[in-house]
Amino acid sequence: EPEVTQTPSHQVTQMGQEVILRCVPISNHLYFYWYRQILGQKVEFLVSFYNNEISEKSEIFDDQFSVERPDGSNFTLKIRSTKLEDSAMYFCASSEAGGGAVVTEAFFGQGTRLTVV
Amino acid sequence: RKEVEQDPGPFNVPEGATVAFNCTYSNSASQSFFWYRQDCRKEPKLLMSVYSSGNEDGRFTAQLNRASQYISLLIRDSKLSDSATYLCVVKNRANTGFQKLVFGTGTRLLVSP
Repeated sequence: EPEVTQTPSHQVTQMGQEVILRCVPISNHLYFYWYRQILGQKVEFLVSFYNNEISEKSEIFDDQFSVERPDGSNFTLKIRSTKLEDSAMYFCASSEAGGGAVVTEAFFGQGTRLTVV
Repeated sequence: RKEVEQDPGPFNVPEGATVAFNCTYSNSASQSFFWYRQDCRKEPKLLMSVYSSGNEDGRFTAQLNRASQYISLLIRDSKLSDSATYLCVVKNRANTGFQKLVFGTGTRLLVSP
């Protein structure tokens, strides 16, 4: 069964350092997302990406965050200068469709646990 | 008002019990609705989509009431393996026309022997 894969599974970084979280979406999917979940809290939307550009982003997704699809398979989330409060599980997701009335599910990767110390 | 609201629980039930979860959403223009399941420290996984006419998948039944902006999930004959957090998820249209998933906080279910 096709799946979304994320690397690394766990990343520990010092405050102020840059981190890049990597994702390989399902190959025929066109819509990509990043979500985060702070321990014990709900899953929060960060950003959606389609056709090589950001479609939507939340208030959390400030100038410290960026996304990129550097080649045909990878989808990355970069945090330029990490803060303690960036510690969370980051989930990448992809879906076949993202607009219109089509009901399509999003498939999630297993997540990257980011710990900022 | 929160976009998607759920009772966080936990709901503690014995094996074989029937349990129901409710969810309300604030955006009357929401278009699609889902229940996801999340095990501890794992990714959310789709349990079932929720259709206007209601739908059933084995022991699981989902209902949607658009007038009341209310979604429910019923689990019959609970199994130990049903222990998880159940996430109510709503797909909303953003200003760009693109749709995004909005998650509730989740309802935790604990099924005991």
